[in-house]
Amino acid sequence: EAQVTQNPRYLITVTGKKLTVTCSQNMNHEYMSWYRQDPGLGLRQIYYSMNVEVTDKGDVPEGYKVSRKEKRNFPLILESPSPNQTSLYFCASSPNDLSQPQHFGDGTRLSIL
Amino acid sequence: GDSVTQMEGPVTLSEEAFLTINCTYTATGYPSLFWYVQYPGEGLQLLLKATKADDKGSNKGFEATYRKETTSFHLEKGSVQVSDSAVYFCALSESGNTGKLIFGQGTTLQVKP
Repeated sequence: EAQVTQNPRYLITVTGKKLTVTCSQNMNHEYMSWYRQDPGLGLRQIYYSMNVEVTDKGDVPEGYKVSRKEKRNFPLILESPSPNQTSLYFCASSPNDLSQPQHFGDGTRLSIL
Repeated sequence: GDSVTQMEGPVTLSEEAFLTINCTYTATGYPSLFWYVQYPGEGLQLLLKATKADDKGSNKGFEATYRKETTSFHLEKGSVQVSDSAVYFCALSESGNTGKLIFGQGTTLQVKP
């Protein structure tokens, strides 16, 4: 089954404690992206990657890092999380032709205390 | 930069009512346009798309037409069902396949029996 898998689904943690949210896709997609969803703001793009070893900033990259060492994986790293990063996070993938739809994971709800 | 604006929600309708959710965009060139739907507790899934002016996307009774002259991509359905209750997002991918995707704020639809 074609899917994008995020882990963990839920996490409560404290300010400053490094965390990583993993994202993996099994569709051999070149393109992967991370978004955060906040009430009234919709989805905002954090980082995206159009292929292995190629990453670019989206609209809200501050406080986040990503890496793309393999095609299937695109982890999101919060080196020193802060409460304003409390949000619902989505990973997505697609072929590199962005007229094609994104396939989304089920989301990760992060609470930073 | 490019942007997407959706009508404010929530939208509350009775079953079998006509639905319109407005979406307008600002973009250079010719972006691809999408409507995604998010059911409670799930990730986003593509509802329909249009990749060039005057294209009409349709799926599950929903329709939207890419109007270049009014920079709009309004979502319509002739007769909504309770099962259509969800959050709807309008989105665009920037022309030139830059990798950037921009979402609107989302519109919550609640359909009552």
